Formats: sequence, C-alpha cells, structure tokens
Amino acid sequence: DVKVTQSSRYLVKRTGEKVFLECVQDMDHENMFWYRQDPGLGLRLIYFSYDVKMKEKGDIPEGYSVSREKKERFSLILESASTNQTSMYLCASSPQGVSSYNEQFFGPGTRLTVL
Amino acid sequence: LAKTTQPISMDSYEGQEVNITCSHNNIATNDYITWYQQFPSQGPRFIIQGYKTKVTNEVASLFIPADRKSSTLSLPRVSLSDTAVYYCLVGHATGNTGFQKLVFGTGTRLLVSP
Repeated sequence: DVKVTQSSRYLVKRTGEKVFLECVQDMDHENMFWYRQDPGLGLRLIYFSYDVKMKEKGDIPEGYSVSREKKERFSLILESASTNQTSMYLCASSPQGVSSYNEQFFGPGTRLTVL
Repeated sequence: LAKTTQPISMDSYEGQEVNITCSHNNIATNDYITWYQQFPSQGPRFIIQGYKTKVTNEVASLFIPADRKSSTLSLPRVSLSDTAVYYCLVGHATGNTGFQKLVFGTGTRLLVSP
C-alpha cells in the first residue's frame, strides 16, 4: 500500500512564527501536492511538485513556500504564520503517467491552528 | 473544470445499497469522473474512476449514462464504516506529468445507521 505520512496531526503556532509541515511518501511517486481544506471551500491546491527541486504554484500560494530536495519528501513552509492560515493541510502524491493520473494518495492531514 | 452538484447528505441503514448521484452538465469530452471518500480527520481516499458506461471494483460501482452529464456511485450493502463524505470530481490530466488538479466541492455526507 502507498503510504503518505505527515509530520504532525495537530499543530498550534503563534502569529508570525515560521512553520514547517513535512510530508513523506514511500512509493517513489514523481508528483507531490499540498492542499488546504476548509469548511465550505473544499480542497484548494497550494503548491505542486513534479520532480525534485521542481515546483508549481497552485491556486492559493500566497504566504506559503515549498521545498523538495529529495523525491520522497515535500515540505510546506509558512514564512510568517497568520490566523487566516488556520486550516487542515493535506499532502498527496501520485505517479506520473496517463494511466493513473487521477489517483492521488493522501496523507492523514495536519490540523494547524495559528493563535 | 466542470462543476459538479451532489446531494448534501444521505441516510441509510446497514445492509442497504446506497446510490449517490452527481450532476456534471458541462463535462468535457476528455474529462474522467472520479469519486473519493473521506473519513473525519483523514485525507480523501480514491474509490473509483470511469469515463463511460459502468465500472466496478471491489468497493463500488460507477454508472455513467451515454450523455455523461451525470454519474451514480453505488455502494452495495453498506456498513457503519461506510459513514463518510463522498466527493465527485470531473477533470482530466494536463501536461506530461499526468497531473489533474482536483477540485473537491462540499461532497455528500453519508450516514449509515444500525
């Protein structure tokens, strides 16, 4: 089974802190994603990476950055956390290739609260 | 990205068959239909995907009529553990990465009772 793990299930930080969310996948997938999920808004893509050191902005990249130094690891960074970044953050991975492009494997999520 | 419409919630009892219908009137020719399941405090999990007619796997069936403007996820003999939110997504991969941007709406909350 594909396994996507996230470093924390729950995190509480203060406004202005730099926050790191880590994601690791064990299936040698090329694609990795960071989403946030908010009630009534569904999932929104923050950033996407299709290879080591390669990244693309999603729909809501403002206030976030990412790092992918190794294929299995994709980090989301909140440079200066704000209260409106309180949310559930979900990491996902998928292989490349048309045959399985739709199936993304998600981690358990990190519920971040910024006070 | 095609917009989808699903019922907000559904109730069922253990052992019953549950059918959740999704409307996607402006689906494009190269769009696929995908369903995900999400339990509380977990990430979404892929259930099934189809393009037309009927697709069946060990978990569910997906029925897609000829005009593809709607689709129905069928869960046979549900159990309490099927209580979850079910999302219908429509889209296709772009570029050579095989990546499809997933847009999850509010989904359908299914409650299975004893």
